[in-house]
Amino acid sequence: TQLLEQSPQFLSIQEGENLTVYCNSSSVFSSLQWYRQEPGEGPVLLVTVVTGGEVKKLKRLTFQFGDARKDSSLHITAAQPGDTGLYLCAGDNNQGGKLIFGQGTELSVKP
Amino acid sequence: DAGVIQSPRHEVTEMGQEVTLRCKPISGHNSLFWYRQTMMRGLELLIYFNNNVPIDDSGMPEDRFSAKMPNASFSTLKIQPSEPRDSAVYFCASSSSPGNQPQHFGDGTRLSIL
Repeated sequence: TQLLEQSPQFLSIQEGENLTVYCNSSSVFSSLQWYRQEPGEGPVLLVTVVTGGEVKKLKRLTFQFGDARKDSSLHITAAQPGDTGLYLCAGDNNQGGKLIFGQGTELSVKP
Repeated sequence: DAGVIQSPRHEVTEMGQEVTLRCKPISGHNSLFWYRQTMMRGLELLIYFNNNVPIDDSGMPEDRFSAKMPNASFSTLKIQPSEPRDSAVYFCASSSSPGNQPQHFGDGTRLSIL
């Protein structure tokens, strides 16, 4: 069974701090997606990384796909309360669109 | 454009009752996914369809759960009989052709079985 391990599971920080969320697996994925979920809503896609070593930036968010395409990280610079939410990584292993989701990282940014 | 539409948003019922959750995917999307989310187990894939055909139902917990997709614009997830341990948020998601495509999620159905 393919698994994606996310860490940390919970993160509570002050506004302005930096943070990194990790997503690790022993399996290779053809691509990896990051989603953000707010209370009472479904997950919403932030980014898809496809190439090993790829780095994508979305304003204060930086996403990296590992060279071997087994792991990924999400770095947030100068976190803001609006960044609060559940961050989920999801790997695609070419099974007809089926994604393997990590357990998620619950981020709380306090003003 | 309308996103994935799920109904009802909330359902509270007594154990033993039949529960039917509904989903309308985004028009033109040919893959549909049903997930269950709990604090303990996170987001679990229950079943997914490609072109209205069930492809993988290995995540369906047991025979009490069934899912159908009679046409490209509608799917149901049924639990009969329901049990308290089925309480969770159930999400439906759709995507276009499989492979590196994002999944678009509905806002979920919060199900409570008393």
